[in-house]
Amino acid sequence: KAGVTQTPRYLIKTRGQQVTLSCSPISGHRSVSWYQQTPGQGLQFLFEYFSETQRNKGNFPGRFSGRQFSNSRSEMNVSTLELGDSALYLCASSLSSSGGAYEQYFGPGTRLTVT
Amino acid sequence: GDSVTQMEGPVTLSEEAFLTINCTYTATGYPSLFWYVQYPGEGLQLLLKATKADDKGSNKGFEATYRKETTSFHLEKGSVQVSDSAVYFCALTPGTGSQGNLIFGKGTKLSVKP
Repeated sequence: KAGVTQTPRYLIKTRGQQVTLSCSPISGHRSVSWYQQTPGQGLQFLFEYFSETQRNKGNFPGRFSGRQFSNSRSEMNVSTLELGDSALYLCASSLSSSGGAYEQYFGPGTRLTVT
Repeated sequence: GDSVTQMEGPVTLSEEAFLTINCTYTATGYPSLFWYVQYPGEGLQLLLKATKADDKGSNKGFEATYRKETTSFHLEKGSVQVSDSAVYFCALTPGTGSQGNLIFGKGTKLSVKP
């Protein structure tokens, strides 16, 4: 069974631009979560989607948004990019969203650099 | 809010040494606890988990026991190998509601020398 895939793997953008990252979950998984990883803040939860609905949201500004499609694929968008948005963005999928009952499987991440 | 605290790194060990990485947590309810590992240039891989008090998670020679009385989930391995060099993250999912998000510690970088 194929793992979680994320595209693109690397991205360089300029301040003020917007960016869209894509995540394809493991087949059959309905929950997709996004995390931001930076050296200073570590791993921080962005949001979680389940059956096309946002179930949970972390403490990030409204410039960060996401959506999930009927096939469970998910995208996240960051508008008006800032230098501080440079990070590794990780996507994780699981069968459901019921806390620890279902393991989360991570993709390799998208490395976003904002210049 | 819920949080995870793990020992600061980096940790440098010689091959075949004993490894302990400390992890403590603060949470309401009954969280599930995890250890994830991240190899250079890769995403996170689940190493082991425990979903209730006194559960022991184990995988690839690594072990951790869910201790509710001390709110701890320390990672141990009896004999580390060079291939264990990576960053290790302790994490929890809240025990209430349908919150599936993971809350991570800062990570501990492990370097194993031959």
